[in-house]
Amino acid sequence: DAGITQSPRHKVTETGTPVTLRCHQTENHRYMYWYRQDPGHGLRLIHYSYGVKDTDKGEVSDGYSVSRSKTEDFLLTLESATSSQTSVYFCAIPLPGQGKNGELFFGEGSRLTVL
Amino acid sequence: DQQVKQNSPSLSVQEGRISILNCDYTNSMFDYFLWYKKYPAEGPTFLISISSIKDKNEDGRFTVFLNKSAKHLSLHIVPSQPGDSAVYFCAANPRNTDKLIFGTGTRLQVFP
Repeated sequence: DAGITQSPRHKVTETGTPVTLRCHQTENHRYMYWYRQDPGHGLRLIHYSYGVKDTDKGEVSDGYSVSRSKTEDFLLTLESATSSQTSVYFCAIPLPGQGKNGELFFGEGSRLTVL
Repeated sequence: DQQVKQNSPSLSVQEGRISILNCDYTNSMFDYFLWYKKYPAEGPTFLISISSIKDKNEDGRFTVFLNKSAKHLSLHIVPSQPGDSAVYFCAANPRNTDKLIFGTGTRLQVFP
């Protein structure tokens, strides 16, 4: 009953390979977000979704694509991974019961290393 | 250009004392300001927020102050406890968008 499940939790891949990270929510919320966390940069928004098939770019969307074919799943794809995409990726949804003003509930993160 | 800045990467405070974490912003169009706490290997968790029309919000040991003229907010933790040791991110919610903007974080260490 975690609310958000991210998979995989850890992945090591090589430059140029495609990678897909999955976020699964059990709260049936319209909004879902993907952030990356890097030292010296805090958390930065990659893409977000405001409904099935409705997505928009964040501040660091280059090199990433997303898909939302079901309410509960939000996929983040790196078509051709680069070393600069080594990061910890967090999925988030509005906090159940709140969430109208930026209160987010985050998943546990997916640590990606691109060699 | 960083719209939300946390200029202190780290802070060390003795248990029982007050911890003050600071955050500056450059955009007057932010509607809400929030603080998140993050432990290692976990996702950030929402801590407290404040509307841009308020200047103070309190929740137990945590109080957030907003100084709009200085474009500055601060998080006060009183009394500090070892379990408060974490990275704290301030964040701002721009008006009419869903794109929360985070600062770079401050690592708080509370020692006995």
